[in-house]
Amino acid sequence: DVKVTQSSRYLVKRTGEKVFLECVQDMDHENMFWYRQDPGLGLRLIYFSYDVKMKEKGDIPEGYSVSREKKERFSLILESASTNQTSMYLCASRTQGNEKLFFGSGTQLSVL
Amino acid sequence: AQSVTQLGSHVSVSEGALVLLRCNYSSSVPPYLFWYVQYPNQGLQLLLKYTTGATLVKGINGFEAEFKKSETSFHLTKPSAHMSDAAEYFCAVSYNQGGKLIFGQGTELSVKP
Repeated sequence: DVKVTQSSRYLVKRTGEKVFLECVQDMDHENMFWYRQDPGLGLRLIYFSYDVKMKEKGDIPEGYSVSREKKERFSLILESASTNQTSMYLCASRTQGNEKLFFGSGTQLSVL
Repeated sequence: AQSVTQLGSHVSVSEGALVLLRCNYSSSVPPYLFWYVQYPNQGLQLLLKYTTGATLVKGINGFEAEFKKSETSFHLTKPSAHMSDAAEYFCAVSYNQGGKLIFGQGTELSVKP
């Protein structure tokens, strides 16, 4: 089975901190995605990457950046965390050209 | 802008009753259509998808969905709800193979004994 692993299930940070959310997949998938999930808003795409060292802005990239130095790892970075970034963050991956996404279990981030 | 709308953020049914979760998309071009399910404390997993061909698509756990181009809809159904179906369900669309997925707001399904 494909496994997408997010390093933390729960994370509590303070306003202004730099936050790293890590995601690792074990199926050699080219594409990787970061979404945030908020009640009533569904999933919104923050950033995605079609392959190593490639990145594209999604629908809500403001306040975030990403890093993809290795194929299996896609990191989401909050340069200076703010309270409105409190959310559930979901990582996903898939094979290039395939529609099926495989998701991690999510990281619930609270920014105080 | 292309979008997908799920009617009803919460749906409650009795065990054994019909499940109907509604999804409409906005586009004149037939998209690729998906339903994902999220069980508590888990990530999303694919329930079923429509790309081309037969408009009635069968998925896992007895769910199915029908693509109706004239209604721009892709509603999810299951004839008889089970307690284990309680979860959040997301409809999603993509407008090209391997393109970005656009998700709906989600519908939380509760199943009463």
